[in-house]
Amino acid sequence: AQSVTQPDIHITVSEGASLELRCNYSYGATPYLFWYVQSPGQGLQLLLKYFSGDTLVQGIKGFEAEFKRSQSSFNLRKPSVHWSDAAEYFCAVGDNTDKLIFGTGTRLQVFP
Amino acid sequence: DGGITQSPKYLFRKEGQNVTLSCEQNLNHDAMYWYRQDPGQGLRLIYYSQIVNDFQKGDIAEGYSVSREKKESFPLTVTSAQKNPTAFYLCASSPRWTGGRSEQYFGPGTRLTVT
Repeated sequence: AQSVTQPDIHITVSEGASLELRCNYSYGATPYLFWYVQSPGQGLQLLLKYFSGDTLVQGIKGFEAEFKRSQSSFNLRKPSVHWSDAAEYFCAVGDNTDKLIFGTGTRLQVFP
Repeated sequence: DGGITQSPKYLFRKEGQNVTLSCEQNLNHDAMYWYRQDPGQGLRLIYYSQIVNDFQKGDIAEGYSVSREKKESFPLTVTSAQKNPTAFYLCASSPRWTGGRSEQYFGPGTRLTVT
């Protein structure tokens, strides 16, 4: 069965610093991968997705993610974090026959 | 503006009462989903509907029921059989059912508190 792991429960960075949030998946074939962001008390918003092709995908709000098959990873990055990026981030994985499986999330705190 | 609305944002109920959470979308999407979110557990799928008049159980369907009589509406009933109903409930939709390939659009959520 497919699964997704987000090893970091909570990350704190300073405003302007770079960011990398980790996501590892378990799936036999090429998965469909997503990153969502959730502000407190709100729904989820899609940041970016990977289905196939170029392994570096660009998303909204200056985020990007890189699919690395050899490491079963799909890490989310941003070169310079803004205070408004403070939120919870969810990685999700799916295939063409099953449902979308979400990770447990990483809470990002940004210090001024 | 197109989107998904969930009402109310906060809901309080006494133990033993059934409660229905509303989810409406005007995106003309075929598929709709209900998730439950608890701290530290991510999102867990309760029910999903691929098309109107059809729905399937997700991973944690016990104590919940749904209906899909209209394309735009997918209400969730939390019954008294649900042992731990207090949670944040999220409704989502996608243009069509493609399993795990579906990009899902989320509503703002309903926080249910049962005492």
